[in-house]
Amino acid sequence: LAKTTQPISMDSYEGQEVNITCSHNNIATNDYITWYQQFPSQGPRFIIQGYKTKVTNEVASLFIPADRKSSTLSLPRVSLSDTAVYYCLVGDLSNDYKLSFGAGTTVTVRA
Amino acid sequence: DTAVSQTPKYLVTQMGNDKSIKCEQNLGHDTMYWYKQDSKKFLKIMFSYNNKELIINETVPNRFSPKSPDKAHLNLHINSLELGDSAVYFCASSQDRGSDYEQYFGPGTRLTVT
Repeated sequence: LAKTTQPISMDSYEGQEVNITCSHNNIATNDYITWYQQFPSQGPRFIIQGYKTKVTNEVASLFIPADRKSSTLSLPRVSLSDTAVYYCLVGDLSNDYKLSFGAGTTVTVRA
Repeated sequence: DTAVSQTPKYLVTQMGNDKSIKCEQNLGHDTMYWYKQDSKKFLKIMFSYNNKELIINETVPNRFSPKSPDKAHLNLHINSLELGDSAVYFCASSQDRGSDYEQYFGPGTRLTVT
């Protein structure tokens, strides 16, 4: 059971890079690390997923150290529209109901 | 086309009533889920289901029951509604079980029990 810990909130300004670190000390060998974004009144939306090292897509980068006990979501040059809740998820929700998305990290981007 | 849709978007009802929330996905996915998000924004899984197996969160009261008429639909039926059931309920789907499969979420159904 890989429990995750991430900051409750982070503030930033437009144009800055935002890095959110998630701790998952008990990650299992076959677990992937997935990040979701949720805007108010909407369902969560997949951002990025990785297993080890670094993954980059058009939205974000995900850095995973060799021991995989943590991961960092990096949002480059944020804009006001990036204000949302970001969830770190580790493990297979479809097979382990004890997992949950937790409260996530509320990122507020200011002008 | 909406990938995962839910109806209704809002549901206001009285304690003791029975209600259903419908979910449909047009992605051809094999696994569907129901989540509950409370007022503190915690998002917890209630059920996961595919054509082989239903996995139930044992903390979910048995007043809640998922019903799947076919692979594309997973409805949530709630009996004897209570005030504490007020929350936003999200349906989701993924290609299969496993942490390496991305989940696609519906827009949510805000349930208010009075």
